[in-house]
Amino acid sequence: GAGVSQSPSNKVTEKGKDVELRCDPISGHTALYWYRQSLGQGLEFLIYFQGNSAPDKSGLPSDRFSAERTGGSVSTLTIQRTQQEDSAVYLCASSLAGEGETQYFGPGTRLLVL
Amino acid sequence: GENVEQHPSTLSVQEGDSAVIKCTYSDSASNYFPWYKQELGKRPQLIIDIRSNVGEKKDQRIAVTLNKTAKHFSLHITETQPEDSAVYFCAAIKNTPLVFGKGTRLSVIA
Repeated sequence: GAGVSQSPSNKVTEKGKDVELRCDPISGHTALYWYRQSLGQGLEFLIYFQGNSAPDKSGLPSDRFSAERTGGSVSTLTIQRTQQEDSAVYLCASSLAGEGETQYFGPGTRLLVL
Repeated sequence: GENVEQHPSTLSVQEGDSAVIKCTYSDSASNYFPWYKQELGKRPQLIIDIRSNVGEKKDQRIAVTLNKTAKHFSLHITETQPEDSAVYFCAAIKNTPLVFGKGTRLSVIA
């Protein structure tokens, strides 16, 4: 079946602008995760959604970052007033359930803030 | 919370040799340990995983071992090939989200 998809694949924006990144998880997966990967670096956890539970936002780096998941499926990560240090690849992953389940990653959105 | 350390950060091996990447974790309650491979410009992909009720798992040229007492787990790649060149990430989990190591860049030299 279809894997995790993300859009756009690339986004170039100017400092101070807001951006929205979209993630479509695998159908039937209740858990959805956002990660950030800076060039040549590891995976930095941002936020986690599981079913109808309140999201785990412990990884969000600042209040400029927010995410929502509508109808338990599609998720949008919003970065307000973007800064150059926000430039990175933003990866979304989904899993069938939560704890102990394999996470499947999307192709990522490469964000460049000029 | 959980902390995962991964070593080495870079590893170069001759084609045909073995490669070993090691990770340690801090939370003794962690019970799921996946390994992901990320090729340049691509998404991370699961290559093998192990759960805490198992000490070793093999899949063709790839194996993972887990030592719960010492809280470390290792990825073993035998008969390495150029297409094994990538960044490998370990991770540990008790409660989501996964905590990832910082990655190992493996280069297989033909």
